[in-house]
Amino acid sequence: DAGITQSPRHKVTETGTPVTLRCHQTENHRYMYWYRQDPGHGLRLIHYSYGVKDTDKGEVSDGYSVSRSKTEDFLLTLESATSSQTSVYFCAIGWEGTVETQYFGPGTRLLVL
Amino acid sequence: GQSLEQPSEVTAVEGAIVQINCTYQTSGFYGLSWYQQHDGGAPTFLSYNALDGLEETGRFSSFLSRSDSYGYLLLQELQMKDSASYFCAVSPPMGSSYKLIFGSGTRLLVRP
Repeated sequence: DAGITQSPRHKVTETGTPVTLRCHQTENHRYMYWYRQDPGHGLRLIHYSYGVKDTDKGEVSDGYSVSRSKTEDFLLTLESATSSQTSVYFCAIGWEGTVETQYFGPGTRLLVL
Repeated sequence: GQSLEQPSEVTAVEGAIVQINCTYQTSGFYGLSWYQQHDGGAPTFLSYNALDGLEETGRFSSFLSRSDSYGYLLLQELQMKDSASYFCAVSPPMGSSYKLIFGSGTRLLVRP
């Protein structure tokens, strides 16, 4: 295993509340990614990081923010959760030169009521 | 922009061979990757083609043709445990090579 964990693994929350998901790696990889997965859409990139405090938007970044203050942690925040953000969220890590080979965490199932 | 197309579902019989195709529209890319995902699990890396041609890894092979904007994953000697979703992915060009664009996935059902 690539040493990547996500917390929480499951969460139920209400519309309008803030939610923070955590991704933790023990591999010292430079690149970290947050994806969401919904039926019929595959994996869609939300945000990614290419170093501490270096982040950029993916294809579905609206309503999400991220932070990376340490190499090992990448946080995804839903500032005000909406029902459309009900999804499975995967974190992934990759390293320079082989970003096509990403290792995924176990995922977080988020239900926004 | 970039987009990838895969069949949504494929069914095959145990012991058979199945090919999952991936076609893409992009102005250029660095390579084609394949990932496997079992129900309830996380995606796992299967293979990567940086160059045109066939790459073989055990029962799985992956092919890329840049001139045809086409690739495929070939699974031989199918086993029940191969029932899963398979995603192709490309990395876009020009300074954004550290992110992937995934297809919508192909659900493979292997029957006895």
